[in-house]
Amino acid sequence: GNSVTQMEGPVTLSEEAFLTINCTYTATGYPSLFWYVQYPGEGLQLLLKATKADDKGSNKGFEATYRKETTSFHLEKGSVQVSDSAVYFCALQNQGAQKLVFGQGTRLTINP
Amino acid sequence: DAGVTQSPTHLIKTRGQHVTLRCSPISGHKSVSWYQQVLGQGPQFIFQYYEKEERGRGNFPDRFSARQFPNYSSELNVNALLLGDSALYLCASSFGATGSTDTQYFGPGTRLTVL
Repeated sequence: GNSVTQMEGPVTLSEEAFLTINCTYTATGYPSLFWYVQYPGEGLQLLLKATKADDKGSNKGFEATYRKETTSFHLEKGSVQVSDSAVYFCALQNQGAQKLVFGQGTRLTINP
Repeated sequence: DAGVTQSPTHLIKTRGQHVTLRCSPISGHKSVSWYQQVLGQGPQFIFQYYEKEERGRGNFPDRFSARQFPNYSSELNVNALLLGDSALYLCASSFGATGSTDTQYFGPGTRLTVL
C-alpha cells in the first residue's frame, strides 16, 4: 500500500542554520507529493507541492525536489527563522484520488 | 475570500455519546474530505465526498459516518464515542474529484475530547 516515512524528530536548530527534513514514500503509479506545515493550535497549511518526477516545489524559501529514482521528497531551507518553528508533514496523493497519505510529522524548533 | 471553516472549535463529550462536526468548504469547491489527527501523529483519511456522494472511505469503523449537503457543506458524525476518538478532526476542500493536481485546503480543525 501507499505510505510516507519522515525523519524522526524533534529537530532543533539555531536561527540561520540549514534545514533538511527527509521524506521517502512508497506508492503505486505516479503520485503527487506535498509538504504541509502545522503551526501550534492550527490546521494544516500547504507549503509546497510537486506533481511529477524532477519537479521542484518551492515557497517561502523552502524547496523540495520529486526524486522518483530514490522515491524521496526531502524538504530544505537555506536559512531558517524562529517563525519556521512548526510541525512539518510530508504527504502523497495518488492520481485519480483525493485521499492524502501523510507521514508522522517532524517537529521543528528554531532557537534564536 | 473565506477559507475552509469548521465548527465547533472545541468539543468535550463522554464515552458513549454522539457528536456532529461541521465543515464549510471554500466557495466553488465541491469536494470535502475528513481526516482524524491523533496527538503526535499525521492525519488519517476518514471520508471524501463529492457532489453529495461518498467517493472514498478510510479504515474507520461504521460508527463514523458523513454526508454532504447541496451547498457542499458537510457533517461528520461519530456514534458511541470511545476514548480513542479524542483527536483533532480536520476538513479539507478542493474543486473536484479528479485527483493528483487538485490541491486540498484544510480548515483549522475541531478538537474533540472524549472523557
